[in-house]
Formats: sequence, structure tokens, C-alpha cells
Amino acid sequence: DAKTTQPNSMESNEEEPVHLPCNHSTISGTDYIHWYRQLPSQGPEYVIHGLTSNVNNRMASLAIAEDRKSSTLILHRATLRDAAVYYCILKGGSRLTFGEGTQLTVNP
Amino acid sequence: NAGVTQTPKFQVLKTGQSMTLQCAQDMNHEYMSWYRQDPGMGLRLIHYSVGAGITDQGEVPNGYNVSRSTTEDFPLRLLSAAPSQTSVYFCASSWVSGSSYNEQFFGPGTRLTVL
Repeated sequence: DAKTTQPNSMESNEEEPVHLPCNHSTISGTDYIHWYRQLPSQGPEYVIHGLTSNVNNRMASLAIAEDRKSSTLILHRATLRDAAVYYCILKGGSRLTFGEGTQLTVNP
Repeated sequence: NAGVTQTPKFQVLKTGQSMTLQCAQDMNHEYMSWYRQDPGMGLRLIHYSVGAGITDQGEVPNGYNVSRSTTEDFPLRLLSAAPSQTSVYFCASSWVSGSSYNEQFFGPGTRLTVL
């Protein structure tokens, strides 16, 4: 499975936008870019995914570089409930391969 | 829909004991999988199944057995528990068709301690 690189941790203030980066220079043409997050003491939950074009949903936006070697998850207005570990995952089939993720801290 | 359910929520075992972690989903998903998560780490895939009667190994299968007799259930068996199996276990499910873009749904986890 192709690897992703994310910062270990990031910090944000409540109600400010958050940009979580992910590098995936070895991505293949058929890999989808998925983002999951894991709130404390819970199972991971799906956030968003995309292939080539930028994507928006009610939770977040996903900006994908033109060469697809990097992507950015955008939380438009962070809340305290968004404090979690965020995982960027390349998905080329049914399996998910988790890395260490980015621990997001949201300050009130 | 209940989604993905796991039982028990917590379990303490002694070394050498056996037990089965239960996982069930009511979304008619073909794909089901088991992960373990050690403190401060990401999830690692133990076993997975793409349909009833079909199972395969993931990244860390040693010490665990699975079977898939129905679409709904995917139990994980520890035959002889070891302290190294102390972890939080998550079950997940998803559609197989169009698998690369389908999201996975995770259960709430089982926290297992082996003494």
C-alpha cells in the first residue's frame, strides 16, 4: 500500500479554519484519498474522500493537488468536538491501512 | 439501523485463556474486518472478509482466528491469550462493490486486557 506522511500534531483555535496536510508522493492512479478521524475512546469515523477533484461535504472539504501527490483536509470552523486524530489513507481496494495520523488540538 | 456493534465493551483475561470477540452489522455489507490499536498508535489490520465463507489475513494475524458463516457476523477468536494481545479491538464493515471509494463503518471497540 502506498504511504502517507502527516504531521504528528497540530493546534487550532475554536471557530478558526484548520488545514491538515497529507503527502502521498507514491499514490497510484486508482488510489482514492480517504480521511478518517478518531475521537477519544471511539472508533474511527469517515470524514471525506476524493480521487482527483476537490470535494465538499457537511463535515469538511478536501483539496487535492493537481499532481495528486498531496492533499489537505479543511475544517472550515473548528469546534472543540473536532479535537481528534485525523488519518489520511490511500485506498486502492477494500482495505484501509492506517498510519499514525495527526493529533488535532482545538483551543477554546 | 444499529450499524456495527461489538461485544463485550471490556474484557480481562488471564494468559492462556481463550475468548471470542463478537462483531455484527445490519447494513448487509460484504466486507468486514478486525483491527487492533495499541496505545498511541494507528490501527493495524488483523483479518478481513469479503463475504460469507471467505476470510484472509491482514497485517498482524498471528494468535487470532476468524470465520464468516453469515453476512452479518464476523467473530474474532483468541485461542490462547497473551499479554501482547492487550489492545483495543475494532470491527469495521463496508460495501465491496466500488471498494476503493466506499467508506468503512467502525464499531465502538472492545478493550481487552490480558494479565
